[in-house]
Amino acid sequence: EDQVTQSPEALRLQEGESSSLNCSYTVSGLRGLFWYRQDPGKGPEFLFTLYSAGEEKEKERLKATLTKKESFLHITAPKPEDSATYLCAVQAPEKLVFGKGTKLTVNP
Amino acid sequence: NAGVTQTPKFQVLKTGQSMTLQCAQDMNHEYMSWYRQDPGMGLRLIHYSVGAGITDQGEVPNGYNVSRSTTEDFPLRLLSAAPSQTSVYFCASRHVMNTEAFFGQGTRLTVV
Repeated sequence: EDQVTQSPEALRLQEGESSSLNCSYTVSGLRGLFWYRQDPGKGPEFLFTLYSAGEEKEKERLKATLTKKESFLHITAPKPEDSATYLCAVQAPEKLVFGKGTKLTVNP
Repeated sequence: NAGVTQTPKFQVLKTGQSMTLQCAQDMNHEYMSWYRQDPGMGLRLIHYSVGAGITDQGEVPNGYNVSRSTTEDFPLRLLSAAPSQTSVYFCASRHVMNTEAFFGQGTRLTVV
């Protein structure tokens, strides 16, 4: 069965305090791993797609990396506006399977 | 460019009532899906479609029906609403498999 586990469930950081979010997965033949950001009351917003182990993508203070078993979302020198829930999803045949998300709070 | 549009944004139903949640996309995407999001449960797939006339069940399909008569629209029908269907519902679309999905803003449904 295809599964995605995200950790931690919640993370509190001080502004400027770098950290990483983890997404571990089991899927029969990875066809893509996706990171989304979700703000309260809104739909998920696409951040990154990773397709193969070793691949990395960056956007502003965020960098996503991928291994054969997990992905990390690294947040460098976060700001309060980075506060959101970050969702990870894997592509199974014809479906996206989501993790439960990590709620990130960045305090000023 | 509107993207994925869901209506209504909020809805309160009584147990046993039926209703249809609307979803429309203007990006000519083949794939469309419905998810529900509950606290502590993440996004769970209800039904999905890989093209007009083709639908299939996801993880939690019971109590819901879908149809896909056009590429643009993918309505979700609640046949007889139950309190367990209280949730936030998201519609998503994407061009082809393995590409990113675009989400609507969600419908918050309360069944009393």
